[in-house]
Amino acid sequence: NAGVMQNPRHLVRRRGQEARLRCSPMKGHSHVYWYRQLPEEGLKFMVYLQKENIIDESGMPKERFSAEFPKEGPSILRIQQVVRGDSAAYFCASSPQGVLGETQYFGPGTRLLVL
Amino acid sequence: AQSVTQLDSHVSVSEGTPVLLRCNYSSSYSPSLFWYVQHPNKGLQLLLKYTSAATLVKGINGFEAEFKKSETSFHLTKPSAHMSDAAEYFCVVSYNTDKLIFGTGTRLQVFP
Repeated sequence: NAGVMQNPRHLVRRRGQEARLRCSPMKGHSHVYWYRQLPEEGLKFMVYLQKENIIDESGMPKERFSAEFPKEGPSILRIQQVVRGDSAAYFCASSPQGVLGETQYFGPGTRLLVL
Repeated sequence: AQSVTQLDSHVSVSEGTPVLLRCNYSSSYSPSLFWYVQHPNKGLQLLLKYTSAATLVKGINGFEAEFKKSETSFHLTKPSAHMSDAAEYFCVVSYNTDKLIFGTGTRLQVFP
């Protein structure tokens, strides 16, 4: 039973380019969460999605960031016109039912470096 | 605001000695509490979680944590540290069905 998969594991972009981060949840999980970890900090919630729906995007920056979880395929976190401050590790997590106290299972993360 | 505080940014112990990583949470509601471990350049692994059952929670790799409502604490302990325990540890709280709130982390160093 494969865990949460994220790709790419490392991504280098120049300022102004677009970054696309992919997350495939664990089999049977329909709830996906994205978190960002800045250097030397804890993880910060960004967005919570179910299939074809954004449930909570209270942690998403207002501009340049978007997320989707289509009916088929992985969840995508998209960052347009990246800036150096976007350099961070982006983690995806999934859970089966999205209920209180349920464990979120994390992927290995995508480490984005903006030059 | 709902939050979680890890009192120590770094903890150093000798191999074979006890480990104590401290965590306090804000007490607006009955929370779910978790400890996750992150090894360098790796993802996060769940050590244990508390969800209003037994107050003493046993996790993987010999770790355990005790939920103390009166102190709003959820400290992580292990009787005897191993070199492989060296990592970053995050105390995490959840008050609703979506977002996890992470502490700033405690880096555990284990010396031979």
